[in-house]
Amino acid sequence: DAGVTQTPRHEVAEKGQTIILKCEPVSGHNDLFWYRQTKIQGLELLSYFRSKSLMEDGGAFKDRFKAEMLNSSFSTLKIQPTEPKDSAVYLCASRDWGGSYEQYFGPGTRLTVL
Amino acid sequence: GQQVQQSPASLVLQEGENAELQCNFSTSLNSMQWFYQRPGGSLVSLFYNPSGTKHSGRLTSTTVIKERRSSLHISSSQTTDSGTYLCALELGDSNYQLIWGSGTKLIIKP
Repeated sequence: DAGVTQTPRHEVAEKGQTIILKCEPVSGHNDLFWYRQTKIQGLELLSYFRSKSLMEDGGAFKDRFKAEMLNSSFSTLKIQPTEPKDSAVYLCASRDWGGSYEQYFGPGTRLTVL
Repeated sequence: GQQVQQSPASLVLQEGENAELQCNFSTSLNSMQWFYQRPGGSLVSLFYNPSGTKHSGRLTSTTVIKERRSSLHISSSQTTDSGTYLCALELGDSNYQLIWGSGTKLIIKP
């Protein structure tokens, strides 16, 4: 079975640009999460979907970060406009809610904003 | 204060020695999940353990709710075990929120 896939693996953006990160969850999983990981802050939850419905929109991340899940097998995270402080690794995870509950992570997208 | 405290922050062992990593928590939990991460790598799930003991090869996870602790034991360590180990507590009053430990950086010397 394919795990969580994320594209691109690396992204370099100029300040003010719009970038879109993509995620495909494990087939059959009904929960999808977006996280951001930095050395200083560690892992922070950005968004959480259950069966394509947005359940958590990340509070402090709301203004420039928007996650969408148009179908059960694909999600995007848009950052608009990007700022240098957004430089981090963005991780997508999925799980089978009602099944094992274990979160499975993708390889991540390393974003550098200049 | 911190809801999850992970220790030690770093651990250096010789190959073949056993490693014991600990997470103490101060809030109710649904479960504790343990992850492994290589530098620059993603998170690999090791265990999802709401209570009791689980085994996977050389790895053992034990969660004792009454004592508010969860541990990860690595027996007969190998150099390939080197990396960062993270615990994440799934809050008892949430069915999705994870509270992350600060991580243990494990170095296994040949």
